[in-house]
Amino acid sequence: QVQLVQSGAEVKKPGASVKVSCKASGYTLTTYGVSWVRQAPGQGLEWMGWISAYNADTNYIQRFQGRVAMTTDTSTSTAYMELKNLRSDDTAIYYCARGVYNDYWGQGTLVTVSS
Amino acid sequence: DIQMTQSPSSLSASVGDTVTITCRASQGIAHYLAWFQQKPGKAPKSLIFHTSNLHSGVPSKFSGSASGTDFTLTISSLQPEDFGTYYCLQYSSYPRTFGQGTNVEIK
Repeated sequence: QVQLVQSGAEVKKPGASVKVSCKASGYTLTTYGVSWVRQAPGQGLEWMGWISAYNADTNYIQRFQGRVAMTTDTSTSTAYMELKNLRSDDTAIYYCARGVYNDYWGQGTLVTVSS
Repeated sequence: DIQMTQSPSSLSASVGDTVTITCRASQGIAHYLAWFQQKPGKAPKSLIFHTSNLHSGVPSKFSGSASGTDFTLTISSLQPEDFGTYYCLQYSSYPRTFGQGTNVEIK
C-alpha cells in the first residue's frame, strides 16, 4: 500500500536550517510529484511547494523563495524539504503529500524553532 | 494567486444531518479542486479530487459538486466519526491554495 514516512521531530535555533525527509513506498516515486504543506500551531494548511520526482522541476510559493529547497533521491524513493534561515514563525508541522491531488500524506514532522 | 474562500468556518450538526461546506474560488479553476478531512493531531486525509471523484475507500456519504467557481462538499447522514476540520485545495494553478478550513462539530 502507498505510504509516506517522514523523519522525526526537530528542534532548531533561529537562523539554522532543517531538512525533512519523506520516504515513499508502495508506488514509484517518479510517477508522481511531491507537495510540501505546513501547518502552524492551531492554524490551517499552507502549501509550500512542489517537486516533480521525474525531472526535479520545482515550484515554490513566493514567500519561501530563496529559503526553501525541495529535492528527491529516486534511488531511495525519498523526497526532501530543506528550509533555511529558520525563524520562530517557521514552527509548524511539515507534511509531504503525493502527487497533484495530494492523495496520500506523510504523518507530519514537527519543527520547533526556539532560542 | 487564486484565493479560496471557505464557509462556514465552523458548524455544529446532529447525527443524521446533512451538512454542506462551500469553497469559492477567486477565479476559474475548472474542476481542479480537492477536499480533505483532518482530525486533531493527525495528517489530512484525501476525500475527493477533481471536484467530485471519491478517493479510494471514502464512503459515498461524501460528495462534491460545483457551480461555476463555487464548490461544495456534502456530508450526508452525519456520524460521530465525521467530526474534524475540512479543507479545500485548488490545484488549477501555482501556487496551490487551501481554503481556511471548516471545523465540523457533532452536537
